[in-house]
Amino acid sequence: QVQLVQSGAEVKRPGSSVKVSCMASGGTFNSQAINWVRQAPGQGPEWMGGIIPILGKTDYAQKLQGRVTITTDESTTTAYMLLSSLRSADTAVYYCALVGVTGAFDLWGQGTMVIVSS
Amino acid sequence: DIVMTQSPLSLPVTPGEPASISCRSSQSLLHSSGFNYLHWYLQKPGQSPQLLISLGSHRASGVPDRFSGSGSGTDFTLRISRVEAEDVGVYYCMQALQKPTFGQGTKVEIK
Repeated sequence: QVQLVQSGAEVKRPGSSVKVSCMASGGTFNSQAINWVRQAPGQGPEWMGGIIPILGKTDYAQKLQGRVTITTDESTTTAYMLLSSLRSADTAVYYCALVGVTGAFDLWGQGTMVIVSS
Repeated sequence: DIVMTQSPLSLPVTPGEPASISCRSSQSLLHSSGFNYLHWYLQKPGQSPQLLISLGSHRASGVPDRFSGSGSGTDFTLRISRVEAEDVGVYYCMQALQKPTFGQGTKVEIK
């Protein structure tokens, strides 16, 4: 049974970057897309973007274009989300999620808290 | 972007009683395939969201049959036939026809 295991919490300064990882434990992503979703404190989820590892094809939310980069490693067992030029509004829990054939996010990681503070 | 609007935003429920949540989209979510690209999630306190219903009405694996989804086009409903204490949390609808967007969430709590 595949589980998505994310890297630990981060505290970052405004203007810096953060890279969050998401490993498929007990399996691989196969041909499924990996998406990233963030959730600011007390807010609903916000889709950030995604990647189809087997194709290397990415898609990003308009508001994050130019600041977010999603990649996978060669073995396709780990996905990464790099967010640059951090600001306090980027303080949130960041989730990776495996996308099923229906477009639903079938499986979620445990979340990674990122705090942006001076 | 497709805007998703849920109601109510807060739903106090009595165990054993039914409950329903509405989700409306600013554009039709009906794909040419005949499927509605509308999904429901539950986020229990302190946990990641979990998939409940996909494509408007298909229960995800392991989801109790007291949960059901219905609707088409722009109007969708999630129903819980008999609420249990473990159902508390925030319910979100999400469209996946275009770049995904979520509703504001409906917080379900026990009276």
